[in-house]
Amino acid sequence: KAGVTQTPRYLIKTRGQQVTLSCSPISGHRSVSWYQQTPGQGLQFLFEYFSETQRNKGNFPGRFSGRQFSNSRSEMNVSTLELGDSALYLCASSWGDRDYNSPLHFGNGTRLTVT
Amino acid sequence: QQPVQSPQAVILREGEDAVINCSSSKALYSVHWYRQKHGEAPVFLMILLKGGEQKGHEKISASFNEKKQQSSLYLTASQLSYSGTYFCGTQSNFGNEKLTFGTGTRLTIIP
Repeated sequence: KAGVTQTPRYLIKTRGQQVTLSCSPISGHRSVSWYQQTPGQGLQFLFEYFSETQRNKGNFPGRFSGRQFSNSRSEMNVSTLELGDSALYLCASSWGDRDYNSPLHFGNGTRLTVT
Repeated sequence: QQPVQSPQAVILREGEDAVINCSSSKALYSVHWYRQKHGEAPVFLMILLKGGEQKGHEKISASFNEKKQQSSLYLTASQLSYSGTYFCGTQSNFGNEKLTFGTGTRLTIIP
C-alpha cells in the first residue's frame, strides 16, 4: 500500500511569489491535514480537509489556503511569500472518523525555502 | 493552545529508561504520540483516549492522566533506534477538533 506522497520535495521561491504544494493521501483515507514544521515550533496546524470540505483551520493568515479534490488529493497554496514562510510543510492523511481515533500518516514533506 | 512537552531534550546511554511528559491547559479527550527521525516523516506510535487504559508495545508505553491533563511516554531499556524527536498531539473535545502538537522532545541514545 502506497504511503502519503508529497510533491515537490524541495522548492526555492522568491519573496512575493506564490507556491502550490501537492499531497496524495493513502488510498481510502478521506482526511488530509497540513502542518508547518519549523525548528523550535514543532508542528503547527494549518488546516484539515475531509470529503472536499475544510473541517478545521489553524491560526495562519489568509495567504495560506488549501483545497481537496474528489479523489481526496489535496493542494496547499501560499501567496505573496514571506521569508518567514520557509519551513517543512507536512501533509498527513487518515480515515477521518469523527472521533479522531485514527492515526495520522505523514508524507515526507515539502521543504520550502523563500529567498 | 499548544501542549507543553518536557524535557525539551535528553541524552541517554543504551539500556537506560526515559520518560517524556506532555501537559495541556485544557481537558483532554485524546493524546497521540509520534516519533520523527532526522530527515524523515513523523511516525505514529500510539493513541490514548479519555477513560482508556495505558497502552504500549515492545518497550514503549504511555499513560494518560485525565485529572492532571497530561500524558507520559515511557521508553524502557532504550535502544539506538529510539533516537529521534517525540511529539505529542492533543485533542480536547470529542469530535472534529484539530490535533495540536507540542514542540517535541529530542531523544538521543548513545552507545
